[in-house]
Amino acid sequence: ETGVTQTPRHLVMGMTNKKSLKCEQHLGHNAMYWYKQSAKKPLELMFVYSLEERVENNSVPSRFSPECPNSSHLFLHLHTLQPEDSALYLCASSQVGTANTGELFFGEGSRLTVL
Amino acid sequence: QKEVEQNSGPLSVPEGAIASLNCTYSDRGSQSFFWYRQYSGKSPELIMFIYSNGDKEDGRFTAQLNKASQYVSLLIRDSQPSDSATYLCALNTGGFKTIFGAGTRLFVKA
Repeated sequence: ETGVTQTPRHLVMGMTNKKSLKCEQHLGHNAMYWYKQSAKKPLELMFVYSLEERVENNSVPSRFSPECPNSSHLFLHLHTLQPEDSALYLCASSQVGTANTGELFFGEGSRLTVL
Repeated sequence: QKEVEQNSGPLSVPEGAIASLNCTYSDRGSQSFFWYRQYSGKSPELIMFIYSNGDKEDGRFTAQLNKASQYVSLLIRDSQPSDSATYLCALNTGGFKTIFGAGTRLFVKA
């Protein structure tokens, strides 16, 4: 596989469920990101990991819990979510450094519906 | 004030025309600027990036940056129906944080 892959592509969960979103990048990048995309709103940066260390945490509720076990994998653990958390969750990776453009490479997203 | 502002559209242009997409931003420390294209149901993909004031051309696309006015634009020449998508303006202030606008929907009529 190439690029950034996300699973599952679609997820429906109740407010009491616990689920996880998975992201894997095959680009050798040193940073990985979770973004939330809601209708007619800008992409919201949730978390950033660089070399497996969290470098950004944008005041995200604790019901979202990220995990980065290595530089190629990123998870978003979900528990006791609210209906307003229904959105498209996009994983991205990039190579951060002085010689790089800062381009983000996105996965296809996980469409989450909370009932 | 929003950090990155875009007109949500839709912007409708006839096939073959020039589509002009505009974006303003609030952080004068912004260093690099991006235009991403997002087709319905798909993820964003990079179209152009620009760092310096002036114009940058790539095929039918031209990005324009004016840091004094805090303004960045994207021109699409000879617009095609396949250009119909949402265009996201984004900026990076250095490091890991890339901030996006809400996007402008472009519709190119055949």
